[in-house]
Amino acid sequence: DVKVTQSSRYLVKRTGEKVFLECVQDMDHENMFWYRQDPGLGLRLIYFSYDVKMKEKGDIPEGYSVSREKKERFSLILESASTNQTSMYLCASSSLSGTGGVKAFFGQGTRLTVV
Amino acid sequence: AQTVTQSQPEMSVQEAETVTLSCTYDTSESDYYLFWYKQPPSRQMILVIRQEAYKQQNATENRFSVNFQKAAKSFSLKISDSQLGDAAMYFCAYPNFGNEKLTFGTGTRLTIIP
Repeated sequence: DVKVTQSSRYLVKRTGEKVFLECVQDMDHENMFWYRQDPGLGLRLIYFSYDVKMKEKGDIPEGYSVSREKKERFSLILESASTNQTSMYLCASSSLSGTGGVKAFFGQGTRLTVV
Repeated sequence: AQTVTQSQPEMSVQEAETVTLSCTYDTSESDYYLFWYKQPPSRQMILVIRQEAYKQQNATENRFSVNFQKAAKSFSLKISDSQLGDAAMYFCAYPNFGNEKLTFGTGTRLTIIP
């Protein structure tokens, strides 16, 4: 069974801490994505990567950075966590078809609370 | 830029009945895909159904079907014979041509009444 695994299901961090959210996929997918999910706002794209060491900003990149050193792993970094980053974070992966028609596979989400 | 709008934050339906969730979108592309994803309480997003814009025929997957109106830019999801396991958040999504990044609607929370 194909899998996207996020390192934590729940996380509580203090304001100002550096936070790492890890995501691993086992499908040899080129594309990996980090989305943020908030009630009433749906899912919004933070960053995505289409290859190792490549990254592109999504719609809401401010306050976040990412790292992709290996094809299967995509990390989201909150350099200095703030309370307005309290949210659900979803990682996804997909193959690179170039047509937009491929299915994305999602992790189970990390609910991050910044206190 | 593409936009996706879901105007129903919440819907409810009696078990075994039929419900339709609405979605409208905006794009300047002529060929594209559209998706409906389901997020149950377990939080695992699952692809429910996919429609390719150039296909006239509406997509169907078992009890799930779409009503795709390209000219109106409307893409609604119909769930027939609703079951308790259908209770979830449903998101309409538009994938970007070329890199597969998804633009999501704000979601519709579907409740199934036993």
